[in-house]
Amino acid sequence: GENVGLHLPTLSVQEGDNSIINCAYSNSASDYFIWYKQESGKGPQFIIDIRSNMDKRQGQRVTVLLNKTVKHLSLQIAATQPGDSAVYFCAENINRLRAGGTSYGKLTFGQGTILTVHP
Amino acid sequence: NAGVTQTPKFQVLKTGQSMTLQCAQDMNHNSMYWYRQDPGMGLRLIYYSASEGTTDKGEVPNGYNVSRLNKREFSLRLESAAPSQTSVYFCATRSSGQETQYFGPGTRLLVL
Repeated sequence: GENVGLHLPTLSVQEGDNSIINCAYSNSASDYFIWYKQESGKGPQFIIDIRSNMDKRQGQRVTVLLNKTVKHLSLQIAATQPGDSAVYFCAENINRLRAGGTSYGKLTFGQGTILTVHP
Repeated sequence: NAGVTQTPKFQVLKTGQSMTLQCAQDMNHNSMYWYRQDPGMGLRLIYYSASEGTTDKGEVPNGYNVSRLNKREFSLRLESAAPSQTSVYFCATRSSGQETQYFGPGTRLLVL
């Protein structure tokens, strides 16, 4: 049958406000998390990452918070700008074993949140 | 340093036609991946190559084949395109010992 696309969560903010984008992840064994930004017509672009042994990591204007107790990840963008308008994805990494004993990382992506910044 | 490049950018096919999507990277990464992205859905893994000479199925491999031609290049082939394969296809790469994947600009495919 035909797949019905799901509506993405949306967040609208005014320029200069702080934005918080949330993500719930699924696997308590995930050891690494990434936030990606995807602008219209482009590929996902790495923003910031965090390992499971950390609770918080800061970058330039962005902060990622990890709450392992409730399996929740958030991305905070300070002083949001119109150029921040995009879809934001979280991804969780789980290392799996392949045949032969080597391991590989498998990223599982969330649906994404649409951030719109109004001037 | 182009990073990850994909060709073509856009393609329209008729049902039953075949085509190959190309991906090349100059980042010297060992692992390469093919994803598809459909409206309202996250990225879904089609195939991946952990290293040169190896390929493995991802979540949605049916209807696709891949070739890891060398360390730089990883191609995705549709032998007999179907309308359900209308999607945006992304190639990604990853360095050994790191988890971050870096994405190409995507190929937009429409199958009529």
